[in-house]
Amino acid sequence: NAGVTQTPKFRILKIGQSMTLQCTQDMNHNYMYWYRQDPGMGLKLIYYSVGAGITDKGEVPNGYNVSRSTTEDFPLRLELAAPSQTSVYFCASSYSSQVEEQYFGPGTRLTVT
Amino acid sequence: AQKVTQAQTEISVVEKEDVTLDCVYETRDTTYYLFWYKQPPSGELVFLIRRNSFDEQNEISGRYSWNFQKSTSSFNFTITASQVVDSAVYFCALSEATDMRFGAGTRLTVKP
Repeated sequence: NAGVTQTPKFRILKIGQSMTLQCTQDMNHNYMYWYRQDPGMGLKLIYYSVGAGITDKGEVPNGYNVSRSTTEDFPLRLELAAPSQTSVYFCASSYSSQVEEQYFGPGTRLTVT
Repeated sequence: AQKVTQAQTEISVVEKEDVTLDCVYETRDTTYYLFWYKQPPSGELVFLIRRNSFDEQNEISGRYSWNFQKSTSSFNFTITASQVVDSAVYFCALSEATDMRFGAGTRLTVKP
């Protein structure tokens, strides 16, 4: 059981470039989440999904897109990278609701210059 | 809107000292859940505890204990006889039906 895996671990983007952060879980969890963590701050929810084909916005969705075509995968897309998107991104999952324990991936450190 | 405040940005203690991390929350819902997560230097978040709004019993797990008081909207976390391995950032979080809000975290450093 790998749990929640994220790739890449680190990435440097130039302003205006695009990229996709990958997230996969092998626990058959229905709920998946993307958070960003800025220095000295807590995590902020970007998007979440309650199951394949269903996604919804969190607290800070602007500049990001997601899709959920399978139970296992929940990629996060940045279309036009901006310096404000420099952050550490965490993917998480939980079995059946947002009020359960969430399992987190190791994070992706993204720098936009 | 829901909000979580961890007023202590950083705490430094010497090994074997007891330490309490404070968490104060705001919510309009009567049903909600509170969490504590640990983020060690490796970066990954690790779940410690979940508490629902109807269960105000304090909980103890080894050297860890949690004090939930609805009257003061607080969910404080105490580590007894701290150890160097407890050094981490600790996050308190609040979840209502569709959202999870994290506090800014408290960085705990335990010195040998």
